[in-house]
Amino acid sequence: AQSVTQPDIHITVSEGASLELRCNYSYGATPYLFWYVQSPGQGLQLLLKYFSGDTLVQGIKGFEAEFKRSQSSFNLRKPSVHWSDAAEYFCAVGRNSGNTPLVFGKGTRLSVIA
Amino acid sequence: EAGVVQSPRYKIIEKKQPVAFWCNPISGHNTLYWYRQNLGQGPELLIRYENEEAVDDSQLPKDRFSAERLKGVDSTLKIQPAELGDSAVYLCASSLEGVGAFFGQGTRLTVV
Repeated sequence: AQSVTQPDIHITVSEGASLELRCNYSYGATPYLFWYVQSPGQGLQLLLKYFSGDTLVQGIKGFEAEFKRSQSSFNLRKPSVHWSDAAEYFCAVGRNSGNTPLVFGKGTRLSVIA
Repeated sequence: EAGVVQSPRYKIIEKKQPVAFWCNPISGHNTLYWYRQNLGQGPELLIRYENEEAVDDSQLPKDRFSAERLKGVDSTLKIQPAELGDSAVYLCASSLEGVGAFFGQGTRLTVV
């Protein structure tokens, strides 16, 4: 069975500072990994995904994530955070790139201060 | 291109009343999902459709929840009767091979 752990419930960063959100997964086969962002009262927006190939993937809004198989991790990074990045971030794992239900972590809430 | 569309956005009902949610997926996406998101949690799968067929409904509380996807496009999720514990955000998503899943804005249900 698949599972996802997001160790940090809440993170606060200063605007302009760098950001790293942690994600660890458990899955016996090759994982398909995703990061989503959810603003208050909104649905989930896909930030980026890893299916295969280059382990460093680029996404929208200046985000990137690195897949490290040896650490079972897929951490999300951004070099300079903007106030509009304040939201809830979810990491998810699936069995394939299309018709698979996703297993989500519990999310990390990001606050951005001036 | 339009994304996944859900309605209503918000719904407040009394316990024991029925409620229904509607979802229109992205055109061409054969796979449709209903997830439930409790406060402070990540979404959890309720049911997955491949075209008209429900292929994964093990997490759907079948005593009170039902879903359908007629003609393999729009889908409806129903709860009858609703309980206080059903208060949550109900998310619809659709996906395509090689692309990933896209979510609607969700329906926030409050049962009082």
